[in-house]
Amino acid sequence: QVQLVESGGGVVQPGRSLRLSCAAAGFTFRNYAMHWVRQAPGKGLEWVAVMSNDVSSKYYADSVRGRLTISRGNSVNTVYLQMDTLRPEDTAVYFCARGTVDRPGVDYWGQGTLVTVS
Amino acid sequence: QTVVTQEPSLTVSPGGTVTLTCASSTGAVTSGYHANWFQQKPGQVPRALIFSTSSKHSWTPARFSGSLLGDKAALTLSGVQPEDEAEYYCLLYYGGAWVFGGGTKLTVL
Repeated sequence: QVQLVESGGGVVQPGRSLRLSCAAAGFTFRNYAMHWVRQAPGKGLEWVAVMSNDVSSKYYADSVRGRLTISRGNSVNTVYLQMDTLRPEDTAVYFCARGTVDRPGVDYWGQGTLVTVS
Repeated sequence: QTVVTQEPSLTVSPGGTVTLTCASSTGAVTSGYHANWFQQKPGQVPRALIFSTSSKHSWTPARFSGSLLGDKAALTLSGVQPEDEAEYYCLLYYGGAWVFGGGTKLTVL
């Protein structure tokens, strides 16, 4: 079955960096786009970034462009989110999610990892 | 900055029908926005319900359906169950980037 497991969250000071990882299993990772989505405590979902299956394209939310960077390693079935110059407003649970294969969309989600900037 | 708008809250009786909508600040929502819908219950991970406006995932209950309604995307729940009480989010595609709506808190009462 599809499994997405995030790691790398924690408490970090403003201005510092953190790298999140999402390990995928149960499907052919290189065939799927991968997303990052975040949710601040008590708030709604915010889409963060997506990378295509073949790493040829990536897109970001305006709120994170230039500070957060998505990447992936298809040989290790992992997608990453490099988070630089962190701000208190980046505090959230960060989810990775799989893109649907035939039409734009999102299907499976990981359990999330909490990032606290304080 | 693109804003996606949903009803903040709706209430429905068990067995009833309710429609949630999703509007874009850029204009009418069309099939090209590939609207996705997600359900999230307190303390849980979001669960995908609908993609590409009206396509269901293999696990999506039959009582959930997606459509375009006027200039918005819509999620209709028919024969609402008590367990459908949750927050519902739409997600729209903007040619690469995506934007979530603010969510609709659905109360089953």
